[in-house]
Amino acid sequence: EAGVAQSPRYKIIEKRQSVAFWCNPISGHATLYWYQQILGQGPKLLIQFQNNGVVDDSQLPKDRFSAERLKGVDSTLKIQPAKLEDSAVYLCASSVVGTRTDTQYFGPGTRLTVL
Amino acid sequence: SQQGEEDPQALSIQEGENATMNCSYKTSINNLQWYRQNSGRGLVHLILIRSNEREKHSGRLRVTLDTSKKSSSLLITASRAADTASYFCATDETGANSKLTFGKGITLSVRP
Repeated sequence: EAGVAQSPRYKIIEKRQSVAFWCNPISGHATLYWYQQILGQGPKLLIQFQNNGVVDDSQLPKDRFSAERLKGVDSTLKIQPAKLEDSAVYLCASSVVGTRTDTQYFGPGTRLTVL
Repeated sequence: SQQGEEDPQALSIQEGENATMNCSYKTSINNLQWYRQNSGRGLVHLILIRSNEREKHSGRLRVTLDTSKKSSSLLITASRAADTASYFCATDETGANSKLTFGKGITLSVRP
């Protein structure tokens, strides 16, 4: 079974530029998550989708971050404009149905460096 | 905000020894999960323990949960060099939405 795919793996941009990340979850998984992991910390949930609807985006900085999952399959996360503090690894995860005991499967992440 | 706090922050042991990692948290939870992250990779789910469970085993892993002390421990027995990674506890707090809150992680180094 193919895992969660993310691209690009690495991205370097200058502050105030825009950037987009792509995620393709495991086939058939209804729930998709985007996490931000700053160096030396654990992942922090940014947004959770159930199919193409948003379940939780309470920790998403909505003035600069946006995410969509239009057809309930793959998803994009955008940052516009980027700040220095956005440097982090952005992890995508998916789970079958998103229940409390459902296992989350993580992709390899996109490492973003903002100069 | 981060709910779980792992202890120690870093642990170095010899291959074959046991590794014990602890996690403390602050609020009521539905379950607690442990994840492993190898350098430069995504996280891998290891084990989940529900709030009404006290101990759980999976292969060389043993997890305990003490809800009265709001703490959990992860024991890896007979460690191998391949166990070298960062380990995170993640809590699913009681509340309307299921959401995992991760700690800062423990770096485990297993020397061959």
